[in-house]
Amino acid sequence: NAGVTQTPKFRILKIGQSMTLQCAQDMNHNYMYWYRQDPGMGLKLIYYSVGAGITDKGEVPNGYNVSRSTTEDFPLRLELAAPSQTSVYFCASMLAGSETQYFGPGTRLLVL
Amino acid sequence: DQQVKQNSPSLSVQEGRISILNCDYTNSMFDYFLWYKKYPAEGPTFLISISSIKDKNEDGRFTVFLNKSAKHLSLHIVPSQPGDSAVYFCAASAYTGNQFYFGTGTSLTVIP
Repeated sequence: NAGVTQTPKFRILKIGQSMTLQCAQDMNHNYMYWYRQDPGMGLKLIYYSVGAGITDKGEVPNGYNVSRSTTEDFPLRLELAAPSQTSVYFCASMLAGSETQYFGPGTRLLVL
Repeated sequence: DQQVKQNSPSLSVQEGRISILNCDYTNSMFDYFLWYKKYPAEGPTFLISISSIKDKNEDGRFTVFLNKSAKHLSLHIVPSQPGDSAVYFCAASAYTGNQFYFGTGTSLTVIP
């Protein structure tokens, strides 16, 4: 099992550009999550999904979009990158009822 | 509004001694609490958890204590080892929801 994988590991974007952060899991987990971690801060939930075709907003959804067409994949879309979106992004998955999340290694995004 | 707080950004402990990491929460609906450990350039990994029906849970060198009346939990590591040096995040969830709320983390350094 590869667990939770994220691509890319690092990316530099210009203001106004768009990109998709990829996340995939091979554990057949129902739940998937996107978090961002800013320096000195905890993880803030952006979006989450309880299954294919179902997504919901977290604490900080503005400026992001998600989709969940399959159980395995949960991409995060940034449409118009802003400097405030400079952060480290973590994807996580969880089996329903387990209460334990498995995290990917993160994507570091720099918006200039 | 930070619902889970870790007021100590850092902690240094001698190898072999006890490490105590603290976490406070404000939402009385939280009924499940977790500790995650994070090394640099990696995603968080699950360490230990506790349900609100318990006040203590042990796993080897790690023990989590929950004081519901004070809305406080703590993680004890005994004995501390240099490999325990990492950032520790406290997280909480409510039975009624699918979201997890994370603290800002405590960076533990175990000095050989």
